Amino acid sequence: GNSVTQMEGPVTLSEEAFLTINCTYTATGYPSLFWYVQYPGEGLQLLLKATKADDKGSNKGFEATYRKETTSFHLEKGSVQVSDSAVYFCALSVQGGSEKLVFGKGMKLTVNP
Amino acid sequence: EAGVVQSPRYKIIEKKQPVAFWCNPISGHNTLYWYRQNLGQGPELLIRYENEEAVDDSQLPKDRFSAERLKGVDSTLKIQPAELGDSAVYLCASSPGAGKGYNTGELFFGEGSRLTVL
Repeated sequence: GNSVTQMEGPVTLSEEAFLTINCTYTATGYPSLFWYVQYPGEGLQLLLKATKADDKGSNKGFEATYRKETTSFHLEKGSVQVSDSAVYFCALSVQGGSEKLVFGKGMKLTVNP
Repeated sequence: EAGVVQSPRYKIIEKKQPVAFWCNPISGHNTLYWYRQNLGQGPELLIRYENEEAVDDSQLPKDRFSAERLKGVDSTLKIQPAELGDSAVYLCASSPGAGKGYNTGELFFGEGSRLTVL
């Protein structure tokens, strides 16, 4: 079946630290890959996405590259800020779009000043 | 533009009681989703609507859960009777739907309805 595995949290970093959140997937067919973020008190929102192998999604200083050979979509940011404190979810869809998103468990990030 | 609106934000009930959640999607979005998010887990799809038609309800526990989207706009998710294991956050999301030129594949989520069953 289709599934997403994320690194376990929670994670606490200091401001300006480098961030990597690992995400690997198992899917039939060719999935689209997403990172969603949930800030405190808010709904889930799309952070970035990639729809085919070697695509790089980027937004708000975050990047993730679709690696078909390692079935991975790791999220990175070179210098985190306090405002990046949130829960991050990796997700995939294999129906051409996000009609049926399958989410990972999420990872809570806290950034301290 | 208003986002996805859900109510209530919080609900506490005793087991065996009924409960209902309401969702108003973004205007013009044909596709509506209900997800359930258990504590420490990612959201899991319960049901997906294309307009008023439920096109994927394979994960909906039909013995106690029901949903409707009568006019293809807002939607209600009902649980009757509630069990302890139903305690979770119920998320509604919408998207423009297949075939719409401005559909980027993104889902837009509401803030969720947190249910506690005692």
